[in-house]
Amino acid sequence: DIVMTQTPLSSPVTLGQPASISCRSSQSLVHSDGNTYLSWLQQRPGQPPRLLIYKISNRFSGVPERFSGSGAGTDFTLKISRVEAEDVGVYYCMQATQFPRTFGQGTKVEIK
Amino acid sequence: QVQLQQSGPGLVKSSQTLSLTCAISGDSVSSNSAAWNWIRQSPSRGLEWLGRTLYRSKWSNDYAASVKSRITINADTSKNQFSLQLNSVTPEDTAVYYCARDEDTSGWSIDYWGQGTVVTVSS
Repeated sequence: DIVMTQTPLSSPVTLGQPASISCRSSQSLVHSDGNTYLSWLQQRPGQPPRLLIYKISNRFSGVPERFSGSGAGTDFTLKISRVEAEDVGVYYCMQATQFPRTFGQGTKVEIK
Repeated sequence: QVQLQQSGPGLVKSSQTLSLTCAISGDSVSSNSAAWNWIRQSPSRGLEWLGRTLYRSKWSNDYAASVKSRITINADTSKNQFSLQLNSVTPEDTAVYYCARDEDTSGWSIDYWGQGTVVTVSS
């Protein structure tokens, strides 16, 4: 199985300041079709996860522009340009290049 | 807008079968571009993908090796829903269970989720 490792596990952020989360996979996420199936999800307290970013850098419908994704191969990053109060929650990376689908352990974003 | 509505018991006894259903609106369980997943979440295991069913001229399934001997995911086209059966459960199967969709245009990401069902396995 592909192991997804996120850092940091906790990220206290000041409102209006940027935040960055890293995700590293145990093997390349480049699929034989040339695509890289790495996504980012947000889980607010008491809610199911919500898709933010797919295929490294594509924002899903309705996701604010302050969220962006980047990376390649085995190293990926989610950035929030200016954190707002509604961004509090746990963020997960997920790979869909191989079965079984696997998730990172989560990064908790909280306000200082 | 795709919506997934889960139903099923929240308490199951050890050694028995966990059964959950997910009703789909806004899409078809027989879609040629989507797949229908079950994922669970627990403090000890985090988010764990269990398996999926999809239709591409015929039905097929993909299952996680960790549950492959105990899991069945089926689609019911007449009700536009799909189901999870997990046999021989133990307290380690206690988790929040989610049904979810992944779809071609969103890079096989899990783009829509059910509300979640808290399932407790009693010993």
